[in-house]
Amino acid sequence: GESVGLHLPTLSVQEGDNSIINCAYSNSASDYFIWYKQESGKGPQFIIDIRSNMDKRQGQRVTVLLNKTVKHLSLQIAATQPGDSAVYFCAEDLNTGFQKLVFGTGTRLLVSP
Amino acid sequence: NAGVTQTPKFQVLKTGQSMTLQCAQDMNHEYMSWYRQDPGMGLRLIHYSVGAGITDQGEVPNGYNVSRSTTEDFPLRLLSAAPSQTSVYFCASRTTQGYEQYFGPGTRLTVT
Repeated sequence: GESVGLHLPTLSVQEGDNSIINCAYSNSASDYFIWYKQESGKGPQFIIDIRSNMDKRQGQRVTVLLNKTVKHLSLQIAATQPGDSAVYFCAEDLNTGFQKLVFGTGTRLLVSP
Repeated sequence: NAGVTQTPKFQVLKTGQSMTLQCAQDMNHEYMSWYRQDPGMGLRLIHYSVGAGITDQGEVPNGYNVSRSTTEDFPLRLLSAAPSQTSVYFCASRTTQGYEQYFGPGTRLTVT
């Protein structure tokens, strides 16, 4: 079936670097995408979202880019901090009105001081 | 607000046993859902509810039952536990108009 995937399972960066986490999606009908952060032993936490009619959206230190041509989603974290170390998931709504999200497998971000 | 709470945090069951995972939220959210998370896989939707008295199946509903008698509570029942149900279970809630889901801390279930 349709699924959301990630290019890199683990990303290691130095504190202060910018991080880019990538996600590929396969369903061109998906109209909404979300990034979640999950720290060890905790539930996922909403970071930022983007609708399919947008190419870019910015939050605090985070930017999500959507390239519908190649069905690619990315999360950019500026000035990465040790507290950013976590697993990051992308998720897509297959045009179900937010009823059913499909999650990717996750990328682990490791930030060293 | 306590947000989304789940009990228990950990549970070990023997094959064939039944149990209920509890989930409660105090944000008056209409939408609630249950996910399971397995190593190397993304969260998968088990069941969801858009309001009291209304439930529907997600991606992996087999072996699980839900009911929604109140806005606050959304329990997940394992009818006859199997080792394949060993997983971490997350409950989440949001408003029906919103998209930001709030997740509970999870229940780690082991079935032997």
